[in-house]
Amino acid sequence: EAGVTQFPSHSVIEKGQTVTLRCDPISGHDNLYWYRRVMGKEIKFLLHFVKESKQDESGMPNNRFLAERTGGTYSTLKVQPAELEDSGVYFCASSQDWAYEQYFGPGTRLTVT
Amino acid sequence: KQEVTQIPAALSVPEGENLVLNCSFTDSAIYNLQWFRQDPGKGLTSLLLIQSSQREQTSGRLNASLDKSSGRSTLYIAASQPGDSATYLCAVKSGGSNYKLTFGKGTLLTVNP
Repeated sequence: EAGVTQFPSHSVIEKGQTVTLRCDPISGHDNLYWYRRVMGKEIKFLLHFVKESKQDESGMPNNRFLAERTGGTYSTLKVQPAELEDSGVYFCASSQDWAYEQYFGPGTRLTVT
Repeated sequence: KQEVTQIPAALSVPEGENLVLNCSFTDSAIYNLQWFRQDPGKGLTSLLLIQSSQREQTSGRLNASLDKSSGRSTLYIAASQPGDSATYLCAVKSGGSNYKLTFGKGTLLTVNP
């Protein structure tokens, strides 16, 4: 069974540009989560989807971040316009049920210059 | 607000030694606790999941314990090997309708041959 996949693995963009990160969860997992780790800090929650619905987006830093989950399958996280402080590693995770173990993808390293 | 602390931040041991990694959390009303391993440039690999009603979980040379009332968990690694070198992360899922994981900053473990 394929694990959680993320694309791209690494993105370098200039301040003010737009970047879209993609996450493909494990097949059959209705719950999808986005997390972020910025340099020197702990991994922090961004938001949680149940199928195509946003269950909790309390961790989204501001309105420059937009997450979508088309048809309850893959998810995208768009940052527009990107700022220097958005640099970090963005992780996606999925779980079969909210109470179950979360499985993480390899992450996307975003560098904003 | 849940906060997770991991001690020590870094640990270096000779091969073959038994070791303990510590995790503490401020709000004892948790649903479960997960220990993860992260290799450089890689995603998070789930090692053990302990439900709030459990006291410990074991997988091979790993044993995780949970004392919910005191807000503590330990990860015991027996007979450490160089391949165990990685960052170990502790994360808690709080109770109620909060589905997110709250992470500690991790312990960087180096096992020297």
